[in-house]
Amino acid sequence: SQQGEEDPQALSIQEGENATMNCSYKTSINNLQWYRQNSGRGLVHLILIRSNEREKHSGRLRVTLDTSKKSSSLLITASRAADTASYFCANLNGSSNTGKLIFGQGTTLQVKP
Amino acid sequence: NAGVMQNPRHLVRRRGQEARLRCSPMKGHSHVYWYRQLPEEGLKFMVYLQKENIIDESGMPKERFSAEFPKEGPSILRIQQVVRGDSAAYFCASSPLAGVGSGELFFGEGSRLTVL
Repeated sequence: SQQGEEDPQALSIQEGENATMNCSYKTSINNLQWYRQNSGRGLVHLILIRSNEREKHSGRLRVTLDTSKKSSSLLITASRAADTASYFCANLNGSSNTGKLIFGQGTTLQVKP
Repeated sequence: NAGVMQNPRHLVRRRGQEARLRCSPMKGHSHVYWYRQLPEEGLKFMVYLQKENIIDESGMPKERFSAEFPKEGPSILRIQQVVRGDSAAYFCASSPLAGVGSGELFFGEGSRLTVL
């Protein structure tokens, strides 16, 4: 299977704390993306990091990529109750010419007010 | 600019019936992807289509499932003779680009199929 793995599967923190989620993948990649899914809703794109990048920021989000370890992390700083959602990493296979994304199993984040 | 539109949002079928799920991509997008999500799990790729062409159907079950994206109208995912194991959320996504260097996918809100 090409599915990646995410760690932890579930995370519960207090508002204001930072949340870190990790993602591992199995094949070479072109880019890696993070998506958010609120309960019962579709996925929303958060951030994309290319294989030649090591770190990227967007607002309260920070993503790192380590291609030697085939892993990525998503850090949400100063979390808010509204950040409660499931977070998925997805990678674009390096040899793919179809744009097909392979998703991880996701991390369920609960931010308590 | 409307996003990806999926309908129906909820569909209930009895075993053996047919389910048809529709997806209209974002305006200007010519690439459509279908994913399936079981409860508490991630998304599993099913099929990638361009107008009138199936590009990659490596995630589609061999039987009962089919997909199309006609020249006119929405993309349709069709499930014949549904079984309880087909109960899931089916998501459609679209993009303006594909292949190396492509960016994000834009997702619809999903169609939730329940098979009784």
